[in-house]
Amino acid sequence: DIQMTQSPSSLSASVGDRVTITCRASQSIHTYLNWYQQKPGKAPKFLIYAASSLQSGVPSRFSGSGSGTHFTLTITGLQPEDFATYYCQHSYTTLMYTFGQGTKLEIK
Amino acid sequence: EVHLLESGGGLVQPGGSLRLSCATSGFTFNSCAMSWVRQAPGKGLEWVSTISGSGGPTYYVDSVKGRFTISRDNSKNTLYLQMNSLRADDTALYFCAKDSLYSGFDSLDSWGQGTLVTVSS
Repeated sequence: DIQMTQSPSSLSASVGDRVTITCRASQSIHTYLNWYQQKPGKAPKFLIYAASSLQSGVPSRFSGSGSGTHFTLTITGLQPEDFATYYCQHSYTTLMYTFGQGTKLEIK
Repeated sequence: EVHLLESGGGLVQPGGSLRLSCATSGFTFNSCAMSWVRQAPGKGLEWVSTISGSGGPTYYVDSVKGRFTISRDNSKNTLYLQMNSLRADDTALYFCAKDSLYSGFDSLDSWGQGTLVTVSS
């Protein structure tokens, strides 16, 4: 099974900062990598697919990159509404998914 | 607009059973694979199961194989998860989610608000 590992597990930042979250796969998943945002008490929100393509309506301050086993989610110019937990997820195996353990982004 | 509404959660004793439902609207249900994802209290997301749009191929995380069964009724636009032999570590908020293909890449693009399953004596 493909394992997904995110780092860091938590991160403190200020409004306006640029932050980067890393996700590593235990084997190559090419660009079969999605990112989700979850706020407390809410369902996850789909942000990015194919490692770097923004879902419709997602602000351009979000960006994703990577391929193979190493991926990043970058938020440039943090806004108050961006403080949440972020999850990567692979979709390399047809209709079988694994999520990373999550990265909690907190206000400094 | 896509709507997903889970129901059927509750308190159940270890070894017991529950059937979750996810009523959907706003999209062509039989064209979309559907998934269940769970989140234990204070923990991260865990993919549980996925079923193809036709109801044919089904997929499960190893920890629920042989105990959970995913199914769907395309005439009712409803997804189900039959959970048997429940254990304490099955306690979680269970989300249903709609699978979509974006340029050939599977993603879970719409989610319900979840239904809570608590397994405890």
